[in-house]
Amino acid sequence: SAVISQKPSRDICQRGTSLTIQCQVDSQVTMMFWYRQQPGQSLTLIATANQGSEATYESGFVIDKFPISRPNLTFSTLTVSNMSPEDSSIYLCSVSDSSGANVLTFGAGSRLTVL
Amino acid sequence: AQSVTQPDIHITVSEGASLELRCNYSYGATPYLFWYVQSPGQGLQLLLKYFSGDTLVQGIKGFEAEFKRSQSSFNLRKPSVHWSDAAEYFCAVGFFGNEKLTFGTGTRLTIIP
Repeated sequence: SAVISQKPSRDICQRGTSLTIQCQVDSQVTMMFWYRQQPGQSLTLIATANQGSEATYESGFVIDKFPISRPNLTFSTLTVSNMSPEDSSIYLCSVSDSSGANVLTFGAGSRLTVL
Repeated sequence: AQSVTQPDIHITVSEGASLELRCNYSYGATPYLFWYVQSPGQGLQLLLKYFSGDTLVQGIKGFEAEFKRSQSSFNLRKPSVHWSDAAEYFCAVGFFGNEKLTFGTGTRLTIIP
């Protein structure tokens, strides 16, 4: 399975600021997925990031709020812009696992707290 | 509406007791089915998956799950839980040709001595 490193692992941010989360994979992958897990909630897909094209956002998520970069096949970033306390969540990067279709491998997540 | 449901928000079991976590789905076609576990402060780890074939699937850490088409269910079981099994468990569904997964709301498992 791919190994995913996310940075930062946690951060405390001020309202109105932006934070960029990095996701590094130890192998080349076609698609990378960004999920949000709000406190006590399940995972919700934010967007799918393919290298060389714009990310595809799910309903309720917009590029201005969650811009994503995918400069190569092993790296992606998610920015949470103009943060409010409602953005306090764990943000998880995931990739399709080489062991089979639809099997996702997840990073450990980035826990953001917005004050 | 299409959905994946985990009816139990929180379950408490004694160490050594058996465990069953419920998962139901509501989709027109049979989806791919997964169980993931999230330990405190960790990412998600795949326990097992069902694509087709044998309806009883074995996973890691002694877990198994049974797919029942008639009940649209994919329940997770373990015959004897260990204190280290305390975690959040998520059922998820996916479909062929679409690598996105949809997750249930999760079941938090507490183990008591």
